Amino acid sequence: ETGVTQTPRHLVMGMTNKKSLKCEQHLGHNAMYWYKQSAKKPLELMFVYSLEERVENNSVPSRFSPECPNSSHLFLHLHTLQPEDSALYLCASSQDRGTGGTYNSPLHFGNGTRLTVT
Amino acid sequence: QKEVEQDPGPLSVPEGAIVSLNCTYSNSAFQYFMWYRQYSRKGPELLMYTYSSGNKEDGRFTAQVDKSSKYISLFIRDSQPSDSATYLCAMSGREAGNNRKLIWGLGTSLAVNP
Repeated sequence: ETGVTQTPRHLVMGMTNKKSLKCEQHLGHNAMYWYKQSAKKPLELMFVYSLEERVENNSVPSRFSPECPNSSHLFLHLHTLQPEDSALYLCASSQDRGTGGTYNSPLHFGNGTRLTVT
Repeated sequence: QKEVEQDPGPLSVPEGAIVSLNCTYSNSAFQYFMWYRQYSRKGPELLMYTYSSGNKEDGRFTAQVDKSSKYISLFIRDSQPSDSATYLCAMSGREAGNNRKLIWGLGTSLAVNP
């Protein structure tokens, strides 16, 4: 396996369900990201994990809960979602130089999970 | 005013045409400029990456940055049906950890017709 792999590819869930999205990267990167992609909106950064520590959370509702057990795996736990949460959820990874560097390592994306909340 | 403006299209051109895709931005501190390509049912993939001003060429693709006008462009020469995709621009400043601060355009949907 190479690159960034996301499962499942599609997910339909009711508003009272609990589900999890999974992401795995095989690139040896030290930073992983969750993005939300909705129609007619730019990509929205949800969470960033660098060296397994969550370093930024852009005011995402608490019904989204990330987990990063190691530098290769990332989860997004979902509960009591709303219909407006229906979107494509993208995972990405990069090599983060942290505060000591300014090199902008490009993001590598998975193919996303298409989530529909009914 | 949005930090990054990108016309979502759709843009439809015949095969072989020269395609010009553009983004404008308002933050003069932006230094890194990227173009990502996203095929249907796929994640975005990095296509071109430039730092500061100037041109960068890779095969049929040319990225241009005009910092004085706060305007970036992606040109596709001899366009092919396989170029049909959504093209997203993204940019950031030079500070550390700047992937977390990427500002994205809406993406332009391009269809190249055989």
